[in-house]
Amino acid sequence: ETGVTQSPTHLIKTRGQQVTLRCSSQSGHNTVSWYQQALGQGPQFIFQYYREEENGRGNFPPRFSGLQFPNYSSELNVNALELDDSALYLCASTLLMTRDGYTFGSGTRLTVV
Amino acid sequence: GESVGLHLPTLSVQEGDNSIINCAYSNSASDYFIWYKQESGKGPQFIIDIRSNMDKRQGQRVTVLLNKTVKHLSLQIAATQPGDSAVYFCAEKREGFQKLVFGTGTRLLVSP
Repeated sequence: ETGVTQSPTHLIKTRGQQVTLRCSSQSGHNTVSWYQQALGQGPQFIFQYYREEENGRGNFPPRFSGLQFPNYSSELNVNALELDDSALYLCASTLLMTRDGYTFGSGTRLTVV
Repeated sequence: GESVGLHLPTLSVQEGDNSIINCAYSNSASDYFIWYKQESGKGPQFIIDIRSNMDKRQGQRVTVLLNKTVKHLSLQIAATQPGDSAVYFCAEKREGFQKLVFGTGTRLLVSP
C-alpha cells in the first residue's frame, strides 16, 4: 500500500505565472483535499475533490482551481501567482463516508519570486 | 468565527519526561479532533484522534484528553524521546464538513 505522493517537491515561479501541482492519493482512498501551509502556520484548507468534483472549498480566490481524475489523483492549479502564494502545498487523501482519517503527502514547496 | 489555537508555541523537555501539549478550540459544533506531528520537510502525520462523545483516548505512549466544557484538547506524550521533536498540530472537523481546521502548532524540543 503506497501513501500519498506529491510532485514536484520544490518549485520556483515568477509572479504572474501559473503553476500545476500533482498528487496521487493513497491506495483505496477516493477523496483528495488540498491545503496551503505558510511558514510557521498550520495548514489552511483550499478545497476537496470527490468523484471528480469539488465538494468543499475554503477561503481561497478562484485563481486556485483543481481537478480530480478517474484514478483519484488530483491537480492543484494556481493562476496569476502572487508573492503571498509562497507556501508548502499539502495534499491529503481519505475514503469519504468512513471513519478513515486523512493521510498527508510531504508537500510541494512553492516559492514565488 | 472558528479557530483552533494553541497555548504555547514552543515546549522544551528533557528526554524521558512526559510532555503535555495543549490546544483550545472555539467551535462547539466540532465533533472530531485530531493530533498531527509534522517533522521538518514532511507532511502532517496522524498521531491520535478523538470524537466529541469521548473525553479520553490512549494510544502507544500518547493520550488525548478532551474537555468540552472549556473547549480544550491536550496531547500527553509519555517518556518523550528525541525522535518526538517536531511541530504538533491539533485539528478539528465537523461532521458533514470537508475541511480540517488546524491551529498554528507547538514546537516540541526534546533534549537528550
